[in-house]
Amino acid sequence: QSALTQPPSASGSPGQSVTISCTGTNSDVGGYNYVSWYQQHPGKAPKLMIYEVNKRPSGVPDRFSGSKSGSTASLTVSGLQAEDEADYYCSSYAGSNNVVFGGGTKLTVL
Amino acid sequence: EVQLVQSGAEVKKPGQSLKISCKVSGYSFATYWIGWVRQMPGKGLGWMGIIYPGDSDTRYSPSFQGQVTISADKSINTAYLQWDSLKASDAAMYYCARLAPYSTYWDAFDIWGQGTVVTVSS
Repeated sequence: QSALTQPPSASGSPGQSVTISCTGTNSDVGGYNYVSWYQQHPGKAPKLMIYEVNKRPSGVPDRFSGSKSGSTASLTVSGLQAEDEADYYCSSYAGSNNVVFGGGTKLTVL
Repeated sequence: EVQLVQSGAEVKKPGQSLKISCKVSGYSFATYWIGWVRQMPGKGLGWMGIIYPGDSDTRYSPSFQGQVTISADKSINTAYLQWDSLKASDAAMYYCARLAPYSTYWDAFDIWGQGTVVTVSS
């Protein structure tokens, strides 16, 4: 069982927006602004999409945005495109040399 | 080009030892933390630990402390993950990844290896 809770699936039509949640506790998501989001296509390594809750690495489209409220972080993908179909994982620093991941959300573009 | 190239797939028996590698090129190996992440078949990701090759400062997730050893050899720009005695439950894909230079703590990995599949079966 993963430390952070994500919905197993999410979906949206091309052009729509979809939001994926990531719920933790005051010991991880709620206690630190160090939440990251990764995109993983089948058979590929994960790719960093968001770090420190809402920052985008260079090269990541601004269609991807992150936010946090209390112990729940969220990833929003706007203007959905076919290539956004992938698994998405959140992670959070959890103190004491530990980082925890969510169980992952499979995003389907209808 | 920044690259992390991992060693090939391994098939081992329970109780055997194993050391997999992650060779870095395209940047100063000694000055960026390198982490290891486990992905069990059809499952999510698990943060195992991280090493600073410059001085071999190593931090382990409580879940993996004592189960694996992370090391690095600066002379050949290579990080390692090893087991002394494999268990069937160690079967997984293992990724090495570079901690992003803009990361304050251990969570943001910006460059990933291609992964090493470890199969453990009697």
